[in-house]
Amino acid sequence: DTEVTQTPKHLVMGMTNKKSLKCEQHMGHRAMYWYKQKAKKPPELMFVYSYEKLSINESVPSRFSPECPNSSLLNLHLHALQPEDSALYLCASSRGSSSSYNEQFFGPGTRLTVL
Amino acid sequence: AQKITQTQPGMFVQEKEAVTLDCTYDTSDQSYGLFWYKQPSSGEMIFLIYQGSYDEQNATEGRYSLNFQKARKSANLVISASQLGDSAMYFCAMRDAAGGSYIPTFGRGTSLIVHP
Repeated sequence: DTEVTQTPKHLVMGMTNKKSLKCEQHMGHRAMYWYKQKAKKPPELMFVYSYEKLSINESVPSRFSPECPNSSLLNLHLHALQPEDSALYLCASSRGSSSSYNEQFFGPGTRLTVL
Repeated sequence: AQKITQTQPGMFVQEKEAVTLDCTYDTSDQSYGLFWYKQPSSGEMIFLIYQGSYDEQNATEGRYSLNFQKARKSANLVISASQLGDSAMYFCAMRDAAGGSYIPTFGRGTSLIVHP
């Protein structure tokens, strides 16, 4: 199974809402990532989890809160978002995060619209 | 400074022809990895091919090959016999030990359109 799944596929939320994005992989990967991608731009790294511990936070605003409940699951909790946070949110996983050769496997993404 | 440079915002190719997508990189590390991903309009990033800095042979995966020229720091993707389904954004990426971590760095991407 080389699949990374993400739910929901689409999400529309108001600025006062609280919602969560979910990501799951069953490849035994020990590194998981959240990216934000605007249209026609490359993905921007937000967070990296390595062995279920947050290892990298790319200065992401606190209205985004990641969580890694176990080695297969990754959540992104959203609260008080702004319209400029509307984007495609991609989850990825890889065997590890501390080498040059680990390719990432991406999920299909969640298209988020903040009204 | 850009670590990954993709100079072609858009490329067009006729179906069944070959196309080369350019990628140059910048790193002072000896050990690094280069990756190409395809992103169709549906959004999912699909891993295509990997080249390690110590690999002497160019990587190949089916219709995809990577033209690795280490001295020139280039890692161009060659797609042979283009198909309509190859129309997508293509991103070149690198992992090196910059700052002690191996955070993947992506180029700006090239939009490929395959004409029938």
